Amino acid sequence: DIQMAQSPSSVSASVGDRVTITCRASQGVGNLLAWYQQKPGKAPKLLIYAASSLQSGVPSRFSGSGSGTDFTLTISSLQPEDFATYFCQETHSFPITFGGGTKVESK
Amino acid sequence: EVQLVESGGGLVEPGGSLRLSCSASGLTFSNAWMSWVRQAPGRGLEWVGRIKSKTAGGTVEYAAPVKDRFTISRDDSENTLYLLMNSLKTEDTATYHCATYMVRGGSFYGLDVWGQGTTVIVSS
Repeated sequence: DIQMAQSPSSVSASVGDRVTITCRASQGVGNLLAWYQQKPGKAPKLLIYAASSLQSGVPSRFSGSGSGTDFTLTISSLQPEDFATYFCQETHSFPITFGGGTKVESK
Repeated sequence: EVQLVESGGGLVEPGGSLRLSCSASGLTFSNAWMSWVRQAPGRGLEWVGRIKSKTAGGTVEYAAPVKDRFTISRDDSENTLYLLMNSLKTEDTATYHCATYMVRGGSFYGLDVWGQGTTVIVSS
C-alpha cells in the first residue's frame, strides 16, 4: 500500500498569511494526488485534483503542485473561512490512501 | 445540484450487521462510480471501497480491513448505493460517507461530491 506522509499535522496562522502543506508518497503516484478541505461536522470538499487542477468553484488562492512523490498545497492569502483540516489523497492505486491531515488554526 | 444522502447508521453490538444506504440525486447515477469512505471519531479518512458503474463492469474493490465482511452494491433503478456491513467490530465505529468518483480518461482523480455521512457505533 502507498503511505501518505502529510506535514505539518497542525499550523497556526493569521488571516492574510501564506500557508503551505506538504504530502509525501511512499512511492511515485505521477500526478494522481488530490487535496480536500474538511470543516468540523462537515463532509470533505475536493479542492485540487491531478496535483494542480483547481476544482470548479474553489477560490484561486488555493493551488497545488508536485509530481511523483512530493506534493504541496498552498493557500496564498489565508481567509477566515479557510480555517479547517486539509487532507491529501493518492488516487493512483488500490487501496486509495489519505494523508493524516493538517489542521489550520488561528494564531 | 448533485446530492448524496446517507442513512441507516446506528448502534450495533460487536458481531452484528447493518446496512447503510446512500440516495443520490442530480446526476445520472447509473453512470457514476461510487465509493464509501469512513472517518473514526477524531481521526483521519479511510477509504472503504468502490463500485464501478455497470457499463464499466460493475466491479467492486475493498480495503483490506473490511474485505470479506462488507459488501458494496447499487440499485440504479432507485439511484441508491448500499454498504452491507457484517461481523462488525468496535474498530468499525465511524461516520460513513458515500462519494462520487471523478474518473476521466480511465484515471481516478478524486472524490468530487460527498454526502454528509451516517454514524455507526459498534459497542456492547
